[in-house]
Amino acid sequence: TQLLEQSPQFLSIQEGENLTVYCNSSSVFSSLQWYRQEPGEGPVLLVTVVTGGEVKKLKRLTFQFGDARKDSSLHITAAQPGDTGLYLCAGAGVSDSWGKFQFGAGTQVVVTP
Amino acid sequence: GAVVSQHPSRVICKSGTSVKIECRSLDFQATTMFWYRQFPKKSLMLMATSNEGSKATYEQGVEKDKFLINHASLTLSTLTVTSAHPEDSSFYICSASYGSYNEQFFGPGTRLTVL
Repeated sequence: TQLLEQSPQFLSIQEGENLTVYCNSSSVFSSLQWYRQEPGEGPVLLVTVVTGGEVKKLKRLTFQFGDARKDSSLHITAAQPGDTGLYLCAGAGVSDSWGKFQFGAGTQVVVTP
Repeated sequence: GAVVSQHPSRVICKSGTSVKIECRSLDFQATTMFWYRQFPKKSLMLMATSNEGSKATYEQGVEKDKFLINHASLTLSTLTVTSAHPEDSSFYICSASYGSYNEQFFGPGTRLTVL
């Protein structure tokens, strides 16, 4: 079983501050996804990273995939209240059939005005 | 693109009744669909994986006779909670995957409350 450890579990910051969420595993993933989920809704895909060392930017969000494809980070610059939500990382294992994902436990981010 | 719908969004039922939840990929054909359960402020717990025309693969601890999954086409999967009890109350979310990296696109979820 490939486990994804996500940290921190909870993050409360003021508007304008930066934050980083981490996703780590001892196993290699063929790809890794980041999602954001708001209460009462389904997760929304933010990004997919597939290449070791890859960095992707989505406006104020920067996603990085570790060189060994075992870990990833999400960095938000100048956070806004609209960034509030549950952030989930999910990895597709190299040996998983049917594209089954391993999900991290999630990071609840709260950005206050 | 990659829109997944779920119906109903909310359902309240009496204990002992069965409830069917539909999951549809609206603008793509999904190679695989997944059903998850989510408890408050927790991550997603995979219940089962289904492919069109095949029997679903259930995760350990998930009762296949309790949670019936039918994957009738490349755009429709259904989850039926049979003889529902209060402990089955939860947020059920489906996802559909396609593409080079099998990205999963999630439906909006169904809030089930069993009285």
